[in-house]
Amino acid sequence: QVQLVQSGAEVKKPGASVKVSCKATGYSFTGYYMHWVRQAPGQGLEWMGRINPNSGDTNYAQKFQARVTMTRDTSITTAYMELIRLRSDDTAVYYCVRAVPYTNGLDVWGQGTTVTVSS
Amino acid sequence: QSVLTQPPSASGTPGQRVTISCSGGSSNIGSNTVNWYQQLPGAAPKLLIYDNNQRPSGVPARFSGSKSGTSASLAISGLQSEDEADYYCAAWDDSLNGVVFGAGTKQTVL
Repeated sequence: QVQLVQSGAEVKKPGASVKVSCKATGYSFTGYYMHWVRQAPGQGLEWMGRINPNSGDTNYAQKFQARVTMTRDTSITTAYMELIRLRSDDTAVYYCVRAVPYTNGLDVWGQGTTVTVSS
Repeated sequence: QSVLTQPPSASGTPGQRVTISCSGGSSNIGSNTVNWYQQLPGAAPKLLIYDNNQRPSGVPARFSGSKSGTSASLAISGLQSEDEADYYCAAWDDSLNGVVFGAGTKQTVL
């Protein structure tokens, strides 16, 4: 079945980097955009950006432009999101999410990866 | 402050019809389609409505979406206790060149 499985929880110190992986199974990996969305504790959803797994082209939210990199490895159908220069307010659950073709409807969500930034 | 505006809370009794509004602007809802997500406590969000009014397979028909101009609405007919959740609207924003979410509406079933 269609599934996105993310890497495990991370604890990082301020200023460090984190790289979250998202393994896609059950569908054609290169046929669907992959988005990344985060949710801070008790807060709403925040879009970080997306990657076209076929071309590698990316769009990043302005807020994260200088600190985020989204990549993919089509040979192992895995997408990655790296966030650098972590701050305490980056503490959140990070989701990879598949988009419905030709829309930005996000139809398959990973289980989420908790990233905690604390000194 | 979110680009899309939703009421922070809504409530209804079982069986009632409730609506949740989502207000935006010309660069987002006014020129792109709207999607709605349901997030149950402790769970990942789930796509409820896409392209303004389309339901993914498995989503009950009592959930419906509509859009007019720069506003959109999610309606729940025959409210059930399991509908108690947070609901988020979202749309692509041409000015920001990205997806924007509303802040979410907490739906309570009395």
